[in-house]
Amino acid sequence: EPEVTQTPSHQVTQMGQEVILRCVPISNHLYFYWYRQILGQKVEFLVSFYNNEISEKSEIFDDQFSVERPDGSNFTLKIRSTKLEDSAMYFCASRTSADEQYFGPGTRLTVT
Amino acid sequence: QKEVEQNSGPLSVPEGAIASLNCTYSDRGSQSFFWYRQYSGKSPELIMFIYSNGDKEDGRFTAQLNKASQYVSLLIRDSQPSDSATYLCAAEVSQAGTALIFGKGTTLSVSS
Repeated sequence: EPEVTQTPSHQVTQMGQEVILRCVPISNHLYFYWYRQILGQKVEFLVSFYNNEISEKSEIFDDQFSVERPDGSNFTLKIRSTKLEDSAMYFCASRTSADEQYFGPGTRLTVT
Repeated sequence: QKEVEQNSGPLSVPEGAIASLNCTYSDRGSQSFFWYRQYSGKSPELIMFIYSNGDKEDGRFTAQLNKASQYVSLLIRDSQPSDSATYLCAAEVSQAGTALIFGKGTTLSVSS
């Protein structure tokens, strides 16, 4: 069964450094998403991406964040200058034109 | 502010019992609603979604939606210890991008 994959599973970085989180959505899916979950808190929407552009973003997704689909398979989330409060699990999700969003296993980002 | 509210629990039921999980949402424009299961340290796993008033059954799971009351529920029949997890209710709150807004989740514990 096709799955969303994410790399790395765990990323440790120093405050102020740039990080890129990578996702490979399910191959025939058209909509792509990033969510984050701070430890012990709820899953929060960051951004959605369709037809090679951002279709919606939350207040969390400020100028420090960017997304890109550099080729036909990868979908990336870049954080330009990480802060301590960016430490969280980051989930990529994808879906077809139907409703269901399927989540990847997540990347645990630790900012020290 | 669009919100999805859930009782955090824990909800404890014996093996074989019916577990009832509830969720309310604030945005009357929400069209589709989703139940995800999340094991500790893992990503959300889709159980089922519902967009029409009434009941929708899938195996041991039944989702119920009442748009007039802005209420969604999930029933788990014949609960098993492996059902012990946090159950996340999510609402799709926009037409563009179809972001999901999540509740904090209800922790279910099924004792054998």
